[in-house]
Amino acid sequence: GAVVSQHPSRVICKSGTSVKIECRSLDFQATTMFWYRQFPKQSLMLMATSNEGSKATYEQGVEKDKFLINHASLTLSTLTVTSAHPEDSSFYICSATPSGGATGELFFGEGSRLTVL
Amino acid sequence: SQKIEQNSEALNIQEGKTATLTCNYTNYSPAYLQWYRQDPGRGPVFLLLIRENEKEKRKERLKVTFDTTLKQSLFHITASQPADSATYLCALADSSYKLIFGSGTRLLVRP
Repeated sequence: GAVVSQHPSRVICKSGTSVKIECRSLDFQATTMFWYRQFPKQSLMLMATSNEGSKATYEQGVEKDKFLINHASLTLSTLTVTSAHPEDSSFYICSATPSGGATGELFFGEGSRLTVL
Repeated sequence: SQKIEQNSEALNIQEGKTATLTCNYTNYSPAYLQWYRQDPGRGPVFLLLIRENEKEKRKERLKVTFDTTLKQSLFHITASQPADSATYLCALADSSYKLIFGSGTRLLVRP
């Protein structure tokens, strides 16, 4: 199946710093990628839809100035958590579906565990 | 508001038995429903997709049913194995590929 790679898998940062997480589709092109966050024992919550070459679409309640998304190519989307605070500590997961794909199956990255001290 | 409910209590079964997990939803008319497996600290892995006009789908030891009248999907694992122990997530989507996930049910298969 298609492979989605996320980096870094774990990151620890100080409060107030910014952290960038990369999501790459390794063997397919993805016009659209999705960013989720997941708190322990909770559901994956969709944060935003990342569209190649255009602005991301954010879900209600997600601050676009805090969670910057850039989808500069058909294989790479980045999520930057700006001025991170301890409440931003979470598991961030990206997903993608091949451009033109008809099945609707999403391929997920391995996730990035962010801990803000 | 849209709501997807999965049993939050872990399902504990004996190896070889059939595991049945439930997904109920309200205020939603999904085009299709998907089931994913998630292991601790890992991203979800796609298992099965069933469309609104399909009643049942099978893949090896897995079977999914979809009842749009009851607004319910059942996920079955037959001849369960300890390696099947994981959290199973139900997800619904409209035609835009935007998935809404349930909180998942943890399955534990005892040897």
